[in-house]
Amino acid sequence: DVKVTQSSRYLVKRTGEKVFLECVQDMDHENMFWYRQDPGLGLRLIYFSYDVKMKEKGDIPEGYSVSREKKERFSLILESASTNQTSMYLCASSLRNRGSEAFFGQGTRLTVV
Amino acid sequence: GEDVEQSLFLSVREGDSSVINCTYTDSSSTYLYWYKQEPGAGLQLLTYIFSNMDMKQDQRLTVLLNKKDKHLSLRIADTQTGDSAIYFCAGDFNDYKLSFGAGTTVTVRA
Repeated sequence: DVKVTQSSRYLVKRTGEKVFLECVQDMDHENMFWYRQDPGLGLRLIYFSYDVKMKEKGDIPEGYSVSREKKERFSLILESASTNQTSMYLCASSLRNRGSEAFFGQGTRLTVV
Repeated sequence: GEDVEQSLFLSVREGDSSVINCTYTDSSSTYLYWYKQEPGAGLQLLTYIFSNMDMKQDQRLTVLLNKKDKHLSLRIADTQTGDSAIYFCAGDFNDYKLSFGAGTTVTVRA
């Protein structure tokens, strides 16, 4: 059974903290993605990576950075968490070729207080 | 990202058909997708259609694509309570990066 696993289901962090969200996939996929999901706004792409150590900004990269040191792991970093980063964060992975299905993790509900 | 629009809510009676609509502004997508998100879960691919097709049927699901109007729809026949979920329309307008609509919350009532 294919899997994308996010390290936490729920996180509560304080304003100004550095936050790490981890995602691991076991499908040997080249592409990995971080989205945030907010009611009425759908999914918005933060960053994606198409290979180890490669990354590209998505639509809303401000306040975030990413790391991909190994093919199976893609980390999202909030350098200094703010309350407007309270959201559901979804990780996904897919094969490189166009039209490949994207597999999603179960999501991390982050609350910044 | 590319503009993908969906209505936010749909209420349907059990056993009836549901139709979820989506419009998009960029015609460069090769594939258009429907994803389903059940409560507390990530997204799962429901079905997809290649951009040179007009229709695709898969059991209770029918996808219609009107390329001229940039309109995509998902019809669920004989809607069941297990179909209650959020449905997202998406397209790969920029190579392999998916752009999503806001999601339509479908509520199935008895």
